[in-house]
Amino acid sequence: DIQMTQSPASLSASLGETISIECLASEGISSYLAWYQQKPGKSPQLLIYGANSLQAGVPSRFSGSGSGTQYSLKISSMQPEDEGDYFCQQSYKFPNTFGAGTKLELK
Amino acid sequence: EVQLVESGGGLVKPGSSLKLSCVASGFTFSSYGMHWIRQAPKKGLEWIALIYYDSSNKYYADSVKGRFTISRDNSKNTLYLEMNSLRSEDTAMYYCAKKEWGYFDYWGQGVMVTVSS
Repeated sequence: DIQMTQSPASLSASLGETISIECLASEGISSYLAWYQQKPGKSPQLLIYGANSLQAGVPSRFSGSGSGTQYSLKISSMQPEDEGDYFCQQSYKFPNTFGAGTKLELK
Repeated sequence: EVQLVESGGGLVKPGSSLKLSCVASGFTFSSYGMHWIRQAPKKGLEWIALIYYDSSNKYYADSVKGRFTISRDNSKNTLYLEMNSLRSEDTAMYYCAKKEWGYFDYWGQGVMVTVSS
């Protein structure tokens, strides 16, 4: 199975700060990567797919980039509603696998 | 509006069985493969099962293979997960999810399964 290594495990950001979360795949995944946001007590929601395509309804301060084995999620201006857990997921090979998650908090 | 609503969770003893349901609405259920994904407390996400739109193929994670069975009833827009020989490590929130172009675009609210003596 493809291993997805996410970093950092946790992150504290100030209002308006730009943050990045990284995801490293154990082999190339050809941009078949998604990012999900999960708020406490809620189910995950798709933010980014295909490494850099924004899901409908997701604010434009979220963006994704990367290729090969290295990918990142950027939030360009941290807002209070962005607090939560973030997960990456590869859909290049079956079974699809997820990163362990990054907990993002407002400082 | 797409909705996925799970039910059937609860507290059970090790070795017991449980059957989860997921009722879908807002999309053509019979046209989509459906998945179960679980999340142990304070842990990450683990994909555990897939069923094709017509039930022709089913796939499982190694951690549940031989113990869990995924099924569906397209006439009732309902997805199922039958779980046997439950273990403490199966304790998790279980989500049903729809996939579009390789990504899980809709998730249910989740149903909690706790396996404890």
